[in-house]
Amino acid sequence: DSGVTQTPKHLITATGQRVTLRCSPRSGDLSVYWYQQSLDQGLQFLIQYYNGEERAKGNILERFSAQQFPDLHSELNLSSLELGDSALYFCASSVRGQQGTDTQYFGPGTRLTVL
Amino acid sequence: TQLLEQSPQFLSIQEGENLTVYCNSSSVFSSLQWYRQEPGEGPVLLVTVVTGGEVKKLKRLTFQFGDARKDSSLHITAAQPGDTGLYLCAGAGAAGNKLTFGGGTRVLVKP
Repeated sequence: DSGVTQTPKHLITATGQRVTLRCSPRSGDLSVYWYQQSLDQGLQFLIQYYNGEERAKGNILERFSAQQFPDLHSELNLSSLELGDSALYFCASSVRGQQGTDTQYFGPGTRLTVL
Repeated sequence: TQLLEQSPQFLSIQEGENLTVYCNSSSVFSSLQWYRQEPGEGPVLLVTVVTGGEVKKLKRLTFQFGDARKDSSLHITAAQPGDTGLYLCAGAGAAGNKLTFGGGTRVLVKP
């Protein structure tokens, strides 16, 4: 158990819909990262928040957005869903936001299926 | 764009054999992490290597970071069925805040 929790574990929805994925970081961790894992693309970095502020952006679509709340939990919002958005979405947390040796710990993931 | 190439993509061996997984890039990373992932679960951190030339051992697993900090390898001695899984390497850039993952190596150890 990494100490990072994600809900829900599974999510099935239809194209065009909007969903929210939730992540609670390890106690004391200020950074939250979101990743998408699909069969053809592997694990791709989406976005990072540090202590409530956006710190880095990766391959995140404009239809996707995220935020980190004062209690440090984070939500990833996916809208206008398409079939290709079906994937595993992982959250990771770390103590710092910019450090070469800062280790990221991953949650169990949310499996999103868009029908 | 930093890219990490892992090889091989798939490895099937008998219990007791040794295996090596490679992770290569043309970019320099400030650190490199190795993860193992089971189906339907999140990646679990195995080790972080930081210094060029560093070698770390974790029981039967040996991790090496290249001198130039561009490549790494994972060697498993006397593999066991419990070593079966997807092995991922991930490099952290200078900012250290986002990981670039390799495509993964799926290892199957048959009893």
